[in-house]
Amino acid sequence: GAVVSQHPSRVICKSGTSVKIECRSLDFQATTMFWYRQFPKKSLMLMATSNEGSKATYEQGVEKDKFLINHASLTLSTLTVTSAHPEDSSFYICSASKSKGPEQYFGPGTRLTVT
Amino acid sequence: GDSVTQMEGPVTLSEEAFLTINCTYTATGYPSLFWYVQYPGEGLQLLLKATKADDKGSNKGFEATYRKETTSFHLEKGSVQVSDSAVYFCALNYGGSQGNLIFGKGTKLSVKP
Repeated sequence: GAVVSQHPSRVICKSGTSVKIECRSLDFQATTMFWYRQFPKKSLMLMATSNEGSKATYEQGVEKDKFLINHASLTLSTLTVTSAHPEDSSFYICSASKSKGPEQYFGPGTRLTVT
Repeated sequence: GDSVTQMEGPVTLSEEAFLTINCTYTATGYPSLFWYVQYPGEGLQLLLKATKADDKGSNKGFEATYRKETTSFHLEKGSVQVSDSAVYFCALNYGGSQGNLIFGKGTKLSVKP
């Protein structure tokens, strides 16, 4: 199999606080992990790509100081939303890929609500 | 830049009806094409894929053929079930573990008994 988990599934935080989202590949080693953001009734937009042990590559328009990504091991990547604002409220989804093949395996997503 | 366009939803069908969800793409190279499905409350799952022109991907009764001449990858199923109700995403990438996916906006399918 290729199972990816995310934690938490839902989080509510206050403006100005930071929140960390974890993404884990449970039964395989992920050479690359991707973080996406999904707005209501819209598609997934890639935020950043991360490889284990190296700095993440951010997409244009994504603030790297606001969305901190750490890819500490071949099975774990974290996304920290710093100084969150209501406009950061969204559905954040991670995916992971193995060393061979183009497939990505997706986590179930994290619903972030900033009040 | 590269992009994926898929038909607007929602699509509502009766059980055992024929399903087509259109997907076309714009690409500078020769991408791999995918259909992902997102069931309510769950993450995206790979439904099928095709990596080169004229390849047909199939899974769970769903099919899609990579048509380079029409830059299309339409999803079809001959007889849908209530359990097929989900959001379907068409996507492309350039392969390898480094290639990020470019998604269409998703099409919500509701199948009524």
